[in-house]
Amino acid sequence: KAGVTQTPRYLIKTRGQQVTLSCSPISGHRSVSWYQQTPGQGLQFLFEYFSETQRNKGNFPGRFSGRQFSNSRSEMNVSTLELGDSALYLCASSQQGGFGKEAFFGQGTRLTVV
Amino acid sequence: DQQVKQNSPSLSVQEGRISILNCDYTNSMFDYFLWYKKYPAEGPTFLISISSIKDKNEDGRFTVFLNKSAKHLSLHIVPSQPGDSAVYFCAASLDAGGTSYGKLTFGQGTILTVHP
Repeated sequence: KAGVTQTPRYLIKTRGQQVTLSCSPISGHRSVSWYQQTPGQGLQFLFEYFSETQRNKGNFPGRFSGRQFSNSRSEMNVSTLELGDSALYLCASSQQGGFGKEAFFGQGTRLTVV
Repeated sequence: DQQVKQNSPSLSVQEGRISILNCDYTNSMFDYFLWYKKYPAEGPTFLISISSIKDKNEDGRFTVFLNKSAKHLSLHIVPSQPGDSAVYFCAASLDAGGTSYGKLTFGQGTILTVHP
């Protein structure tokens, strides 16, 4: 079956703009989690959605938001972009929000803010 | 506040030898730990995990050790192969996904290079 698909793969934006990233989970998976990966910081949890509801949220400013649609596809939005938002954004899908063998990551979207 | 730390940014090992990657954590409420491997331009892939009620878990060439009193875990790869060259992340959760709802706390990663 198809894996987790993130689009676009690469993105260049200017400071102050906003951006929307998309994540299509594995068929049948209802949970989508988002992470930000920056050099030296590892992966940091942004939020998790399950059946169109945000169940968990990390320590990021309100400029970072997300949503999930009825087909489980999820989008995350970053408004008023800052240089420090340059990162690899990863999403992971699972059936119930679990980890390990139950969860699969996409390839990520590389966002560069100039 | 870095609750999960990997203090070695990189590790270089000869093929066939043992690779030992280390990870320390500060939150004593963590009770489930995982290791992920990541190649460039790919998402992390799950390697092995361990519950806090165990001190060792093996899966083929990979073994994870957990020392709860020291808040330390390690990943042993024996024997190491060139294909193991990647970035390795340790991660922790407050439970095995039951109520953590997708939230893992990751370390910064260690770049492993295995030389032929």
